[in-house]
Amino acid sequence: AQSVAQPEDQVNVAEGNPLTVKCTYSVSGNPYLFWYVQYPNRGLQFLLKYITGDNLVKGSYGFEAEFNKSQTSFHLKKPSALVSDSALYFCAVRDMDSSASKIIFGSGTRLSIRP
Amino acid sequence: SAVISQKPSRDICQRGTSLTIQCQVDSQVTMMFWYRQQPGQSLTLIATANQGSEATYESGFVIDKFPISRPNLTFSTLTVSNMSPEDSSIYLCSVERLGAGEQFFGPGTRLTVL
Repeated sequence: AQSVAQPEDQVNVAEGNPLTVKCTYSVSGNPYLFWYVQYPNRGLQFLLKYITGDNLVKGSYGFEAEFNKSQTSFHLKKPSALVSDSALYFCAVRDMDSSASKIIFGSGTRLSIRP
Repeated sequence: SAVISQKPSRDICQRGTSLTIQCQVDSQVTMMFWYRQQPGQSLTLIATANQGSEATYESGFVIDKFPISRPNLTFSTLTVSNMSPEDSSIYLCSVERLGAGEQFFGPGTRLTVL
C-alpha cells in the first residue's frame, strides 16, 4: 500500500530565508514522487517530480526537492522565500512498479511567508 | 503540460437537484480523473473516467450518485446527483498522458448545496 505524510500543517518563514516543507512516503515498489502547489481558489499546479536519476530535482519558481531513499523522504526546498510563495503545498506518491497505481496525496502543508 | 478548463467554476444549488460539471483539455490525453477536495484539505479520488466505457469508481463512490461520461479523449463530465449539503466541495478534474507519471489539474468547480 502507498502512503504519504506531511508532518507539518503549517510552516512560517520570513521572506528571504530558506524554506523546507517536509514529506515522507511509503510504497511497495519504486516511487514516483511529486510536489504540487495550490493558490487560493485555484486548482493544483504541478511543481516537480522525481522518477529516477539525480536525487536533487529542480522545478518551477526556484523550488527543488531532494529524494532520500534511506529516509524515504522527499522534502521541498527553496533557498530564499518570497511572499508570493505563500500557498498550500501537497506532496504525492505513486508506485512506479504498479501499472494500475493511483497518485496518493498528502494532507497538505500551508506555507506562510511574512514580509 | 496541458490546458484544462472546467465549467462551471462555481455554483450554488438546492438540495435534491443535480449538477453536471464539464472538463475540457486542449489535447488528447490517456487518462482523466475526478477528485473531490474540501477547502484547505487533501484530495480524494472519486473515479477514473474511461473513454468509451464505464468509469472506475473508488471505494465510497457509486455511479448512481456520481455518473461520469467520457465520450472522447479530450472531454469528460461528472454529475453530482440528488445533492445534499454534504456534497458541498471543490470538484477537480485531472489528466495524465501515458507514461508521464504526473497529473495536471483543472481550476476546479466550487459547489455549495443549500
